[in-house]
Amino acid sequence: AQSVAQPEDQVNVAEGNPLTVKCTYSVSGNPYLFWYVQYPNRGLQFLLKYITGDNLVKGSYGFEAEFNKSQTSFHLKKPSALVSDSALYFCAVRDIGGATNKLIFGTGTLLAVQP
Amino acid sequence: NAGVMQNPRHLVRRRGQEARLRCSPMKGHSHVYWYRQLPEEGLKFMVYLQKENIIDESGMPKERFSAEFPKEGPSILRIQQVVRGDSAAYFCASSPFGLDQETQYFGPGTRLLVL
Repeated sequence: AQSVAQPEDQVNVAEGNPLTVKCTYSVSGNPYLFWYVQYPNRGLQFLLKYITGDNLVKGSYGFEAEFNKSQTSFHLKKPSALVSDSALYFCAVRDIGGATNKLIFGTGTLLAVQP
Repeated sequence: NAGVMQNPRHLVRRRGQEARLRCSPMKGHSHVYWYRQLPEEGLKFMVYLQKENIIDESGMPKERFSAEFPKEGPSILRIQQVVRGDSAAYFCASSPFGLDQETQYFGPGTRLLVL
């Protein structure tokens, strides 16, 4: 069965420092991987995705993620964190086991950026 | 181009009542997904619909829950005889057919509170 794990419930980083939010996945074939961000009492906003091609994917708001097949990881990164980046981040993998696009989400990582 | 619309944003029901949640996908999108987010948890897939068809309802509870996406009008998630455990945020997402079909764009959610 497909699954995704976010090992950290919370990540704390000082403004201006680089940030990493970790994600590992398990799929039977080739994964489609996604990152979403959720602000309080809001819906999920799409940040970026990996489908195929270059392992380094660039997305919205200066975020990027690196697909690593050997480590089955898709960590989210940003060179310089902003206080406004503080939010809940979800990694998701697409279930390719059937005729459906359903996403399987991790449990989320709360990013707290201190000024 | 308006995003995914959901209404109501907040819904309060007493136990035993019915809840109807509406979702209008982004313009040009023909695929709709419903997810549920319980407190302190990630999103869980419920159902995937295309116009007038349920494609995958593997995440839907067997009783009291139903979904539809008619030819005209929004998609409806219906919960009959609500119980306190149904209290959650319900998110709708949509995706286009063809280019970018892997990406799901989420609405702001409906927060259901069952008293």
